[in-house]
Formats: sequence, structure tokens, C-alpha cells
Amino acid sequence: DTEVTQTPKHLVMGMTNKKSLKCEQHMGHRAMYWYKQKAKKPPELMFVYSYEKLSINESVPSRFSPECPNSSLLNLHLHALQPEDSALYLCASSPSDPGTRWANEKLFFGSGTQLSVL
Amino acid sequence: GESVGLHLPTLSVQEGDNSIINCAYSNSASDYFIWYKQESGKGPQFIIDIRSNMDKRQGQRVTVLLNKTVKHLSLQIAATQPGDSAVYFCAEKGLDSSYKLIFGSGTRLLVRP
Repeated sequence: DTEVTQTPKHLVMGMTNKKSLKCEQHMGHRAMYWYKQKAKKPPELMFVYSYEKLSINESVPSRFSPECPNSSLLNLHLHALQPEDSALYLCASSPSDPGTRWANEKLFFGSGTQLSVL
Repeated sequence: GESVGLHLPTLSVQEGDNSIINCAYSNSASDYFIWYKQESGKGPQFIIDIRSNMDKRQGQRVTVLLNKTVKHLSLQIAATQPGDSAVYFCAEKGLDSSYKLIFGSGTRLLVRP
């Protein structure tokens, strides 16, 4: 299994809703990532989990709350989002050793969740 | 500051021709580079990567060239096919403590039949 699976593929939510994005990989990768991608722009890093611990938070607003329940799963909890948060949210994992100079290489991306905040 | 940029936002090529997508980077200390292909509605897909101790690396129909003297990276696609139509991103990884990937702005490749 060489896939990163994200659910749901599409999500529409109101600004008062609470929702969660889910990501799963069974490649044994110990680094997992959340990226945000606006249309026609490159992916922007949000969070990095290394060995199930949050290692990088790119100053993301607290209305985004990541969670790593185990080495295969990564969630992104959403609450009180704004319309400008509408974007494609990508999950990724990497086989490279976190915390070393070889970290964050050869990321495998899921297909993303297209989020619309109304 | 650090940046990874692309010379051409859109590249149109005839099917069967070779494509060259270029990328300039500004951090001479970057030691790892990677190319991704992103089709509409999908996540980025790994194409090929290269370390700074190499000048060239080949994959299936793709070649990445690294010119450290002018801080330039290119992706060559041989015999371009309609399925190659996508947005291509280069990314570099520096040697600061976070070792984060920094993505370029992307080039759209359009393949004409």
C-alpha cells in the first residue's frame, strides 16, 4: 500500500460548524504533514508530526487543531473557520527520518479535501 | 530571503516533443531538490528528486538537471504525452534546523495534440 488516503474529498461547512479532516497511511512513515493549497498556488506547510508528536506548527490559527492518534492516522479538526480558509487541504507522509538532515524528503501526498467555508 | 521560483508560468508543447521546465532557487545552501506533478483535482505526485552532490538524475522519461553555479534546476520530459499536462512544482530543502521543503510557484504544462 503506497497511498495516502484522505476523507472526505469535498466538504462544505458554515463558519459555526465543527468538522474534521482525516488522513491515513500504511507505509510505516513516521512523519506526517498537513498542507493548505489555494487555487493556482503551491502547497503551504501547516503542521508536521514526527513520531506522532507535533514538531512544526507554522503559526497556524487555533481554529485549526491537528491530532495524530497513532502512527497511521492524522486528523485536522476545524472550528469557526472563515471563508478565506476555503482551500484544498493536503495530507502527506514521508519515509525519511524525522529530525535529521534527511527529514521531509520524498513526501507522498493524498488527493486532498476541497474545503468550502460559507 | 529564501525563495524558489519558476521562469515560465505556462508552457505549451506539441505532443511528442521534449519539455523543459525551469526553476531558479536562491539558497545556495539547499542540498535537496524535488519535482512534483499535480493534475487537476489531485494531490502532488512525486516525479524525481536530486541531491546537491549530483548534477543529473534520470527516471522514466524524465531527467532532472541541477546547476549549482547558477542555482538552477530543470525538469526534462521526453516525448511529452497528453497525460503529462499538469502543474509542475519544484521544491528545495535547506539546511536550517527545520529542514522544511520550500515549494516554487509552479508551471503549467499544456500538451497540444
